[in-house]
Amino acid sequence: SQQGEEDPQALSIQEGENATMNCSYKTSINNLQWYRQNSGRGLVHLILIRSNEREKHSGRLRVTLDTSKKSSSLLITASRAADTASYFCATAGGRDDKIIFGKGTRLHILP
Amino acid sequence: GAGVSQSPSNKVTEKGKDVELRCDPISGHTALYWYRQRLGQGLEFLIYFQGNSAPDKSGLPSDRFSAERTGESVSTLTIQRTQQEDSAVYLCASSWRTSGSKQETQYFGPGTRLLVL
Repeated sequence: SQQGEEDPQALSIQEGENATMNCSYKTSINNLQWYRQNSGRGLVHLILIRSNEREKHSGRLRVTLDTSKKSSSLLITASRAADTASYFCATAGGRDDKIIFGKGTRLHILP
Repeated sequence: GAGVSQSPSNKVTEKGKDVELRCDPISGHTALYWYRQRLGQGLEFLIYFQGNSAPDKSGLPSDRFSAERTGESVSTLTIQRTQQEDSAVYLCASSWRTSGSKQETQYFGPGTRLLVL
């Protein structure tokens, strides 16, 4: 299926360290997006990377996309307590361009 | 501008009752999605509306679930004869397509937390 799968499922790191999360998918895509969710409510869009792009930055976020390996990574540099959340990747593609979410990575920043 | 809104924010119901959840997407967004998220789990796709095309209902878990959308505006998700396993947060999201017919960012509502007793 097109669905992205994040890895690891859960990650705990010390404040100030970098956090890296990975996403793999199975079919061709038009773009890949990363979202953050706090407290089980609505998701907030972080960054979108198109299939013809390889890397994108936004503040402390860096996203890479390797379409040959069908994978993406999200790097959060200099982590803060407020970064504690679940992070989801979502792929858009297929005939109807439907957006499909992965199961997410739960990130916990330790003080 | 106004974002995606959902109502009610919380709903407690008894097993066997019907519930109706509402989503108001961002004006002009042609695509609308419903997701279910159980506690500590990922997003489970339910249904996808895109413009005037037939909705993609492939994620609806049973025939007790149905959804409608009026044009490119409000959508309602109906769960008939609710069961305890229907307890979850139901999230709605909307997005629009670029001129190249590609999906862009999804904007999520705050969700409806449903508890079936």
